[in-house]
Amino acid sequence: QKEVEQDPGPLSVPEGAIVSLNCTYSNSAFQYFMWYRQYSRKGPELLMYTYSSGNKEDGRFTAQVDKSSKYISLFIRDSQPSDSATYLCAMKAYSGAGSYQLTFGKGTKLSVIP
Amino acid sequence: NAGVTQTPKFRILKIGQSMTLQCTQDMNHNYMYWYRQDPGMGLKLIYYSVGAGITDKGEVPNGYNVSRSTTEDFPLRLELAAPSQTSVYFCASSYGGRGGDEKLFFGSGTQLSVL
Repeated sequence: QKEVEQDPGPLSVPEGAIVSLNCTYSNSAFQYFMWYRQYSRKGPELLMYTYSSGNKEDGRFTAQVDKSSKYISLFIRDSQPSDSATYLCAMKAYSGAGSYQLTFGKGTKLSVIP
Repeated sequence: NAGVTQTPKFRILKIGQSMTLQCTQDMNHNYMYWYRQDPGMGLKLIYYSVGAGITDKGEVPNGYNVSRSTTEDFPLRLELAAPSQTSVYFCASSYGGRGGDEKLFFGSGTQLSVL
């Protein structure tokens, strides 16, 4: 079983729809959870960052973490064509000596159709 | 600020050729990283550096070398290119080290094909 599982999609939704992107993980040592957005032919950029279980909201984006189920989600409300990108989940576990190991999911490609 | 700048953006190599992927950052970050991204495979860490003169291997270091002579620059060297090194390469930097709340800043990538 891979440490981080993420459905690669592609996912296609109409403009204005609510989008749900998900990742599951097997390593209970993961403590920090992130979502990166990657536009075509660009590098990833950090979108959301959470530490504890629960929800974190930023504008149209909500990141949700359920540590008991080892499941994280990113919700996008009122999706826009400009949200079309690949979304990568990422997680960190403490690896000793003050350092953390970062593991990325494979990414889900999202297309928002006008 | 330019952020993290990578050159070249595209390159085609023949098997056995060598090349250096350039990366420079102007944010005075101590930590720098090289990742490769293969289709459907996610980002894999090749090498990283915690400061000038210090480098360490990541998850997939074979076939690559790095150096860090200055805070700004972190070049990645491919000595004998192989088709398995066909990938998109991303350089990244961070200010907070490898701590829990570290944020990575990525360059735009170098698309490399080895034929």
